[in-house]
Amino acid sequence: DGGITQSPKYLFRKEGQNVTLSCEQNLNHDAMYWYRQDPGQGLRLIYYSQIVNDFQKGDIAEGYSVSREKKESFPLTVTSAQKNPTAFYLCASSIYRNTEAFFGQGTRLTVV
Amino acid sequence: SQQGEEDPQALSIQEGENATMNCSYKTSINNLQWYRQNSGRGLVHLILIRSNEREKHSGRLRVTLDTSKKSSSLLITASRAADTASYFCATVLNTGTASKLTFGTGTRLQVTL
Repeated sequence: DGGITQSPKYLFRKEGQNVTLSCEQNLNHDAMYWYRQDPGQGLRLIYYSQIVNDFQKGDIAEGYSVSREKKESFPLTVTSAQKNPTAFYLCASSIYRNTEAFFGQGTRLTVV
Repeated sequence: SQQGEEDPQALSIQEGENATMNCSYKTSINNLQWYRQNSGRGLVHLILIRSNEREKHSGRLRVTLDTSKKSSSLLITASRAADTASYFCATVLNTGTASKLTFGTGTRLQVTL
């Protein structure tokens, strides 16, 4: 089955710790995206990447980091510098520019 | 700030009625897309309209785009209870080699029997 997989579904983190959210796709898509969604809010773009070893900051990149070492993988690290990390994180991919995006089912991160 | 602002923020209608959602955005775009999100889930793509198109249909969905006003609308005809969800517009702008896909604030649609 082709698709985009985010893991884990739920994640708990202690304050001051870094945590990495996984996003893997087997759709052979070039572009990948990370979004943050707060309750009742829209999606805000964190980082996006069109090709391996290249990525761009989105609108709220501070306190986050990414890597794109493989086409199918785009992990997001939430660092201790992110002041309010509790949120729902969504990963998406699209085959190339200007096409529809496919979303994973999200990771709900809670800082305890 | 968000690229797109949807209006209304929430909409409640009865089954069989039409639902219209509007989206305004701030910058030039390559295309505009509409997505649906059921509570706590990922988003599902509904329809894409290119910047040189004015109207597009897909089943019970009709999308319009007015680039001079930087606005779009999504019409869902003959709504069903299963249409209950949040709907988001998203704009695509090519930035160098990449495409920036930016979402609006969303409209929560409630369809009652």
